[in-house]
Amino acid sequence: QVQLQESGPGLVKTSETLSLTCTVSGGSINGYYWSWIRQPPGKGLEWIGSIYFTGSSNYNPSLKSRVIVSVDMSQNQISLSLTSVTAADTAVYYCARDGPHYYDPFDPWGQGTLVTVSS
Amino acid sequence: SYVLTQPPSVSVAPGKTARITCGENNIGTKTVHWYQQKPGQAPVLVIYYDTDRPSGIPERFSGSNSGDTATLTISRVEAGDEADYYCQVWDSSSNHGVFGTGTKVTVL
Repeated sequence: QVQLQESGPGLVKTSETLSLTCTVSGGSINGYYWSWIRQPPGKGLEWIGSIYFTGSSNYNPSLKSRVIVSVDMSQNQISLSLTSVTAADTAVYYCARDGPHYYDPFDPWGQGTLVTVSS
Repeated sequence: SYVLTQPPSVSVAPGKTARITCGENNIGTKTVHWYQQKPGQAPVLVIYYDTDRPSGIPERFSGSNSGDTATLTISRVEAGDEADYYCQVWDSSSNHGVFGTGTKVTVL
């Protein structure tokens, strides 16, 4: 059974870069799309971006200028980089597996990791 | 760009039926997925491709999608169904995922 685990700093300073890693266990990255999704405290879900195992990616237009999602097949990891962060980027960040198609549902999800942006 | 509108809240008595809508022009031409999120937990897929149910999800959960509205129906509601529910589609015009605004289901 595939499991996802997010990791990274829980506190990032304003204007700096948020970097998170999602480690996939119990299965391979090969053949699937993988997404990052975030949820500000008390608010709804926001899709950030996704990547195919080949490296092809798509991003939320509202974040596209600041986001990079990458894949490391050798480590079975997906990474998220979000530059020039502000307090509005404070959220729980989730990674999730899509499917072999970009329109597939997100399943499963990682447990999420809270990132706070503060000066 | 898609904006998926859900009612902020739905209240239902135990044993009754809850219906959660997800609205957008011609959403019936898209495939809709539904997620359940309980406090402090990651979302869980409950319905995919409009009507399909993952293994382990009770038959009480069902979905439909037509015209401008997709609907998640929870029959014979139980206390354990109290959660936030989100619909989700893929916007192929701009190649990105979109979530609904979310609905809090309260069991009276």
